[in-house]
This record gives sequence, structure tokens and C-alpha cells, in this order.
Amino acid sequence: ETAVFQTPNYHVTQVGNEVSFNCKQTLGHDTMYWYKQDSKKLLKIMFSYNNKQLIVNETVPRRFSPQSSDKAHLNLRIKSVEPEDSAVYLCASSSRDWGGYEQYFGPGTRLTVL
Amino acid sequence: GQGVEQPAKLMSVEGTFARVNCTYSTSGFNGLSWYQQREGQAPVFLSYVVLDGLKDSGHFSTFLSRSNGYSYLLLTELQIKDSASYLCAVRDDTNTGKLTFGDGTVLTVKP
Repeated sequence: ETAVFQTPNYHVTQVGNEVSFNCKQTLGHDTMYWYKQDSKKLLKIMFSYNNKQLIVNETVPRRFSPQSSDKAHLNLRIKSVEPEDSAVYLCASSSRDWGGYEQYFGPGTRLTVL
Repeated sequence: GQGVEQPAKLMSVEGTFARVNCTYSTSGFNGLSWYQQREGQAPVFLSYVVLDGLKDSGHFSTFLSRSNGYSYLLLTELQIKDSASYLCAVRDDTNTGKLTFGDGTVLTVKP
């Protein structure tokens, strides 16, 4: 049963365009995350929000900007995409009680930059 | 920072067992989680360990040795459907809940 929803499922775009991804969780969790999973399946944290506050901001290019309107929603905008941005972007959430150990992942958004 | 290492591949036989190893080097450690990821799907949480020793959860068991920076995930009575990538993730000692994932071990279970 899906509880972390992501849109779109797939997105194909050209170099230099802007894209936006959305994530919503219905688990009542406090913390949400954006991960990037590349073609070699390496999963790397990009950002994390706790109750709308940015708490993890890894070293990512400035063209990536997250946004959270409330604790159930997390968006990711990429201005002027580059070919190396092609990847699967996974959203996840966790409860404060679980301390981040148990994270629930959405199905991902697969971005292809031509 | 965190460095998390896993072997890339592992093969085993249906009905037997498989042990997926994970070693880590950290500047701060506050537990380790294991996730399963099937091809084309999202990672799914399996277990986490914070204290040394073996934690038996039935089909999946986990072991941790903090002094050696080592953990393993043990799968018993393997089924074909256990074929998947298994990801080890180390939690740092901040309050952010941040996990650093290993590259994953692709387990293939053969008949």
C-alpha cells in the first residue's frame, strides 16, 4: 500500500530546461528526504526537512532547490538541468520516534536529460 | 564523514542461506539500517541495529560489531523472490536522521 506518493513517474527533458518534482506522504511523519539514485544504483541523500525546516543540505549543485509547504509535502526544483542530472529521484519520510532508521520511500521519479 | 562498503554481488541457492556483509568507517555512528530494493522498485526497510550482537527477526537477522565497524544481514531459507539488492545504511550521531547508504549487494538466489 503506497503511502509516499511522487509525481511525475517519468520525465524526459532537454538540457537547460527547468523541472519540478512533487512528493506527498500520508503517514503523518515529521521528516522528509530527497535522494538521488544514479545508474549504478548508488543512493545519496540530497536534502531533508523536518516540519518544513531544512535540516540536511548536502553538497549539491545550486540548480537544485527543495521546498516544503508543510510536513506532508516536499518538492524539488531543478533549474537548467544537465545530463548528469539523469537519475531516479526518490522521496522518503520517517517518524521522529524512529530516528530516521526506518524510512518509507516513494516509487521515484525517473529523470532523463537529453 | 561516513564510508560504507558492501560487496557488489552475492550468489546463493534456494533453501540455503546468504550473508550480506557491510563495513563502515565513521566520524559518528548511531545505528545501522538494512533495506531491500527489488529491480525497478523503491527501497523497503528490513531492520536496524544499534547495539552489538545478533538480532533475530525470523527470515532476516542482523549482526553488529561497533568496535570492528562491521554488520551483516543474514537471510535464511532462501527463496527465489529474495533475489534483490540489499542496502546497508549508517545513521550518523546528529538529530537529522541522515542515512549514508552503501552501494548495495545484488543477491541472486538460484534454484
